[in-house]
Amino acid sequence: EIVLTQSPGTLSLSPGERASLSCRASQSVASSYLAWYQQKPGQAPRLLIYGASSRATDIPDRFTGSGSGTDFTLTISRLEPEDFAVYYCQQYGSSPFTFGPGTKVDIK
Amino acid sequence: QVHLVESGGGLVKPGGSLRLSCVASGFAFSDYYMSWIRQAPGKGLEWVSYIHSRSSYTDYADSVEGRFTISRDNAKNSLYLQMNSLRVDDTAVYYCARGRYSPYWGQGTLVIVSS
Repeated sequence: EIVLTQSPGTLSLSPGERASLSCRASQSVASSYLAWYQQKPGQAPRLLIYGASSRATDIPDRFTGSGSGTDFTLTISRLEPEDFAVYYCQQYGSSPFTFGPGTKVDIK
Repeated sequence: QVHLVESGGGLVKPGGSLRLSCVASGFAFSDYYMSWIRQAPGKGLEWVSYIHSRSSYTDYADSVEGRFTISRDNAKNSLYLQMNSLRVDDTAVYYCARGRYSPYWGQGTLVIVSS
């Protein structure tokens, strides 16, 4: 099983600042099959990025995914008020398709 | 427009069983892998199970292997999760989702396992 570790656990930033979220895998993720989701309280997760770097439909270009192998990053270039949420990475290259524990981005 | 609607959650005693259903619409259901993912109250996401588009292959998280069974009925555009020998730590919102990763999730159905 591939274990995903996300850091930091919590990121306290102000609107307009840049956010950098890390997702590290215990072994190489096949074909960069790595996705990022955003979740707000009481809502289902929203897909942001798939294939490590492809933005999902209607996702603003301030969200950028990068990385390969075991190290992946989600960057939010300028935080908007609606971006304060929890972010999860998920690998879907080998079953079980594990999720990371999440990074909470909150308002400083 | 893609819609996924889960049902079947509720309160059940430890050791009991529940069957969750997910009805899909707005896409060719039989062409897609489908997954169940759960989220315990205040916790993160946990992938539970997935099933191949033609039901020929399934897989499970270690935490549910041998207790949960995923199935589908492509004629009814429906996905199921039979949950047996339920434990307190199975308490969660259960989501169905299209694919191994997904832009499409249901609203979730709450399962509470408690005596």
